[in-house]
Amino acid sequence: QSALTQPRSVSGSPGQSVTISCTGTSSDVGGYNYVSWYQQHPGKAPKLMIYDVSKRPSGVPDRFSGSKSGNTASLTISGLQAEDEADYYCCSYAGSYNVLFGGGTKLTVL
Amino acid sequence: QLQLQESGPGLVKPSETLSLTCTVSGDSISSRSSYWGWIRQPPGKGLEWIGTIYYSGSTYSNPSLKSRVTISVDTSKNQFSLKLSSVTAADTAVYYCARLRAARQFDYWGQGTLVTVSS
Repeated sequence: QSALTQPRSVSGSPGQSVTISCTGTSSDVGGYNYVSWYQQHPGKAPKLMIYDVSKRPSGVPDRFSGSKSGNTASLTISGLQAEDEADYYCCSYAGSYNVLFGGGTKLTVL
Repeated sequence: QLQLQESGPGLVKPSETLSLTCTVSGDSISSRSSYWGWIRQPPGKGLEWIGTIYYSGSTYSNPSLKSRVTISVDTSKNQFSLKLSSVTAADTAVYYCARLRAARQFDYWGQGTLVTVSS
């Protein structure tokens, strides 16, 4: 199992939109609609932001949205705010109760 | 409100076994829709899934760690545990326990505990 591929970093100005990609294979991202996304601020535990590709847990702003096409999932954050600056990780179900994380993307709000 | 708390030694010697326990409060570990997992994060690096357990005792582990990982559950104490054998410096990390809803998304996390492997 190799980690899912994410860009090391992305950036955007307040109010703009950014998209973070997460590329896997047909055995994980492409094979199941079970991609989740996590936000992690420094020194804190990750927080679930998106699950099942595009669903938002209660309390997560609708500025956060998820999608998937083929073997690539994406997280889009619209109306960027300073507090969105964090690391973001994708995660996919990979069959047989295995899960696989991406390498993480550092989001900088300029 | 569901809460998870990791506990265990913060320092382990090379070649020894790392042991951690996660105590769950606010929900029963025997809840049929919940699975329970361990994830780790080496300093400055990304997240790595270690393994998952169901209250029945069924376990699933990362193939890269499987030979060294033992995960168990104690329903009477509402706890689950991790043992990682033959540790090296590469096992130094913050270890998190978390709940997996429907076995595929981690919706509640512990605060994490740093385990350092050093002599």
